[in-house]
Amino acid sequence: NAGVTQTPKFRVLKTGQSMTLLCAQDMNHEYMYWYRQDPGMGLRLIHYSVGEGTTAKGEVPDGYNVSRLKKQNFLLGLESAAPSQTSVYFCASSYRGNPYEQYFGPGTRLTVT
Amino acid sequence: AQKVTQAQTEISVVEKEDVTLDCVYETRDTTYYLFWYKQPPSGELVFLIRRNSFDEQNEISGRYSWNFQKSTSSFNFTITASQVVDSAVYFCALSEALDQAGTALIFGKGTTLSVSS
Repeated sequence: NAGVTQTPKFRVLKTGQSMTLLCAQDMNHEYMYWYRQDPGMGLRLIHYSVGEGTTAKGEVPDGYNVSRLKKQNFLLGLESAAPSQTSVYFCASSYRGNPYEQYFGPGTRLTVT
Repeated sequence: AQKVTQAQTEISVVEKEDVTLDCVYETRDTTYYLFWYKQPPSGELVFLIRRNSFDEQNEISGRYSWNFQKSTSSFNFTITASQVVDSAVYFCALSEALDQAGTALIFGKGTTLSVSS
């Protein structure tokens, strides 16, 4: 039981490049979330999903797209990376019956130069 | 709007000192949860505690204790006899129901605790 995993762990992008961050969970959780953490800040919600095929915007969705084609995976895409997207990205998941218990992945550190 | 304030940006103590991390929150919800997370230098988030808004009992777990006071909208965290391994960033968080379903966590900006030997 790996819990929540994130791929990659680190990445450096040039401005304008695109990439996809993968979050995978093996706990059969219905809900999945993407947060970002900037220096001196707590985590902020980017997008979330309450089930396969559904996604919704969080607090800071601009510049990101997401997809949830399979229940266990939640993808976060950056179509044209900007330096302002330099951050640590955390994925989390939870059961529908207990949405308050969120399991976090180890994070992906992304630098956009 | 939901908000979590951790007024202490950085705290430095010497080993064996007690330290209290403050957390004040604002919410319009009648039912909510409060959390504390630890983020060590390695970067992962370590869950410490979750507290339901209906349960104002203080909690103690080893050297850690939490004081929840609804009257002052505070959920403070005390480490007794601090150790170097307690050095980390500590986040307080508040639950917020989302439009579709699910729950977001609203985080404070964190308090960096440095414990020296």
